[in-house]
Amino acid sequence: NAGVTQTPKFRILKIGQSMTLQCTQDMNHNYMYWYRQDPGMGLKLIYYSVGAGITDKGEVPNGYNVSRSTTEDFPLRLELAAPSQTSVYFCASSYGGQGLDEQFFGPGTRLTVL
Amino acid sequence: EDQVTQSPEALRLQEGESSSLNCSYTVSGLRGLFWYRQDPGKGPEFLFTLYSAGEEKEKERLKATLTKKESFLHITAPKPEDSATYLCAVGRTGRRALTFGSGTRLQVQP
Repeated sequence: NAGVTQTPKFRILKIGQSMTLQCTQDMNHNYMYWYRQDPGMGLKLIYYSVGAGITDKGEVPNGYNVSRSTTEDFPLRLELAAPSQTSVYFCASSYGGQGLDEQFFGPGTRLTVL
Repeated sequence: EDQVTQSPEALRLQEGESSSLNCSYTVSGLRGLFWYRQDPGKGPEFLFTLYSAGEEKEKERLKATLTKKESFLHITAPKPEDSATYLCAVGRTGRRALTFGSGTRLQVQP
């Protein structure tokens, strides 16, 4: 199993540009998550999904959108990139939710908005 | 609001010098407390889950313990390869995702 994979690894955007961060998991997990991690800070939840077709907002959803058309994929869309979105983005998945199951993380995407 | 506070922010140890990392939490209806290890430039890697006060888990040189207000990650005779950031997170009833602390950066010098 590859686990959770993310692309790209690095990206530089100009203010106002848009992009999609890709996330795929091959563990048949129901739950998927997007977090951002700023330097010296913990992980902040952006969006999560409990299954195909079902998504919900986390703590910091503004400026982002998600979709979940399949169990495996959970892309994160940035519209009109802003410098405040400079961060490292992690995708994660878990078999169940409700705070009981461990989450498996991808390697991250380092995004810089200039 | 759920709160997770980790201390210290950074810790430097000599190889073989045992110590503990602290994770204090305020959460209603704790379902699980998680410890992760994060190496520079990588995603967090799962270490332990603790579900109830008094529970302990061990893995190599690491031992995690849980009380009703805090968790400790004890590192016994650490080696340089234990250098990493250690993250604590809590899950609770009615919330589908975890709340993370900001982590403790551990450096073990040879």
